[in-house]
Amino acid sequence: GNSVTQMQGQVTLSEEEFLFINCTYSTTGYPTLFWYVQYPGEGPQLLLKVTTANNKGSSRGFEATYDKGTTSFHLQKASVQESDSAVYYCVLGPSNSGTYQRFGTGTKLQVVP
Amino acid sequence: EAAVTQSPRSKVAVTGGKVTLSCHQTNNHDYMYWYRQDTGHGLRLIHYSYVADSTEKGDIPDGYKASRPSQENFSLILELASLSQTAVYFCASRGAQRGQNTLYFGAGTRLSVL
Repeated sequence: GNSVTQMQGQVTLSEEEFLFINCTYSTTGYPTLFWYVQYPGEGPQLLLKVTTANNKGSSRGFEATYDKGTTSFHLQKASVQESDSAVYYCVLGPSNSGTYQRFGTGTKLQVVP
Repeated sequence: EAAVTQSPRSKVAVTGGKVTLSCHQTNNHDYMYWYRQDTGHGLRLIHYSYVADSTEKGDIPDGYKASRPSQENFSLILELASLSQTAVYFCASRGAQRGQNTLYFGAGTRLSVL
């Protein structure tokens, strides 16, 4: 079935360090892939999305590449800031056989000054 | 800017009592969703709807009912609240047109069942 796996429950970095959050997925077809970010006390909001396999999405310094070969959609940022502290969700969009998105378990990023 | 409003923002309920969580969207979106958020589980889909007067089960529907009386409103109902239903609940909406696949979330309702 359709599923998303985020193995890292929490990541702690110092400011200006490189961020890498792992995400792999399982599905059929070619769904859109998303990263959502959730700040404390708020609902999740879209960070970036990629609709086409082997394309890259970017927003606010974050990047993710839709890799159909390795079924991965890892999130990266070259230099994190304290304001990036949040929970990041990898999300699998609806496939031809479904009508709703599937969320990963989330990765909590804490950036310390 | 898309707008999804949830009420109440927090609620304390007693075990066995009835709880209704409400969601209102002004986006003119066809799809509406109820998710539950728990530490270690991320967001899990409870119920969703793609048209008024119709609801569908998500991944964890047991113990929950949903109601979509209009395009703008979507409620989540716990007929007999249980301790295990203590969680944060999020409502979301999205459009049905091609390319309208971004979810817009409300700010959440924190439910504590005692």
